[in-house]
Amino acid sequence: DAGITQSPRHKVTETGTPVTLRCHQTENHRYMYWYRQDPGHGLRLIHYSYGVKDTDKGEVSDGYSVSRSKTEDFLLTLESATSSQTSVYFCAISDPAGGYNEQFFGPGTRLTVL
Amino acid sequence: GQNIDQPTEMTATEGAIVQINCTYQTSGFNGLFWYQQHAGEAPTFLSYNVLDGLEEKGRFSSFLSRSKGYSYLLLKELQMKDSASYLCAVRVFSGGYNKLIFGAGTRLAVHP
Repeated sequence: DAGITQSPRHKVTETGTPVTLRCHQTENHRYMYWYRQDPGHGLRLIHYSYGVKDTDKGEVSDGYSVSRSKTEDFLLTLESATSSQTSVYFCAISDPAGGYNEQFFGPGTRLTVL
Repeated sequence: GQNIDQPTEMTATEGAIVQINCTYQTSGFNGLFWYQQHAGEAPTFLSYNVLDGLEEKGRFSSFLSRSKGYSYLLLKELQMKDSASYLCAVRVFSGGYNKLIFGAGTRLAVHP
């Protein structure tokens, strides 16, 4: 299994508070991604990174920001959490030079915004 | 726009064969992936198709027809542990990089 961890694994927070989710990898993969998964919608891309300090927006980026200061860490921040951001968040990594360039997923973070 | 359709739910019997279909309308097609996701867990990679035809991997096979925008995942000799969601994802080249577009997933229930 790819070495990907996410923290925290579960979080309950209140509307308007800032929240930061962390993704950490030990595979030295260049690409990293943040998705959210909601019933009926499947996985939707929030932001992605193709290298240190290189990030870009996905299809559902409003209300989220990211940072990548080291190859192994990709942070997702909700500046002011809203109830619509209650979801399960998955981090993924891939290596463009490897195999099918398939994405490997972390265990997920379940976030509840009250 | 990008659109991927797959059935929401399917049921099957242990030991049987089941086919999960996926149709897609995307731009910049660059391969199709199938992932398995057990409840409460992360998706895990099952198969990849980029050329037309069938790819076989043990009890699982995946088929692709690019001209029809169609793929299926075939699961043989079903086991109870195959009860999971199956996600179809199309890789598209956009903004200079490859990205995955996921379908909503098909929840498969295998019963004795």
